[in-house]
Amino acid sequence: KQEVTQIPAALSVPEGENLVLNCSFTDSAIYNLQWFRQDPGKGLTSLLLIQSSQREQTSGRLNASLDKSSGRSTLYIAASQPGDSATYLCAVPSTYNNNDMRFGAGTRLTVKP
Amino acid sequence: GAGVSQSPSNKVTEKGKDVELRCDPISGHTALYWYRQSLGQGLEFLIYFQGNSAPDKSGLPSDRFSAERTGGSVSTLTIQRTQQEDSAVYLCASSRHRDEAFFGQGTRLTVV
Repeated sequence: KQEVTQIPAALSVPEGENLVLNCSFTDSAIYNLQWFRQDPGKGLTSLLLIQSSQREQTSGRLNASLDKSSGRSTLYIAASQPGDSATYLCAVPSTYNNNDMRFGAGTRLTVKP
Repeated sequence: GAGVSQSPSNKVTEKGKDVELRCDPISGHTALYWYRQSLGQGLEFLIYFQGNSAPDKSGLPSDRFSAERTGGSVSTLTIQRTQQEDSAVYLCASSRHRDEAFFGQGTRLTVV
């Protein structure tokens, strides 16, 4: 059974800092991994999708890496801003043959002005 | 439509009543997912549809929960004889097969 763990559970940083969020998963037979952000009381917004053949994806100040063999992904946020404050979630398929995503519990990020 | 649409956005119902939650996926997306998020908790997988394949119902918490997807498009999640512990935000997402998933804004269900 795929289990997804995110560390840390919460993170508070001053504006401008670079930071790294971690995601680990137990079944490495995945074909993609997706990072989302969730603002309080809102749905999920897709940030980045990494296919299993890729090692990283970049979008603006965000960079996500994937090490499938070790069951890990990181989300790097450069020059953090107060608007980045949200909960960040990673999701992977439950098995290679399924597309149903299983989520970590998330990292709650606070960026202080 | 431009995105995944869920209705209603809010629903208050009395304990014991049945409710139906609707999800309109992005046009052309063959995969559709339902999740539940209780207050302050993570996303709990409920059910997954992929094309014409049999749905993966392994996450449904009890036989009071059921879901349909008609014509490979719109999906309805039905909760019968609602209980207070069913109160949560119900989220729907859709994607092309093995591709990026997009979520709706959710339906906040309150059982009183």
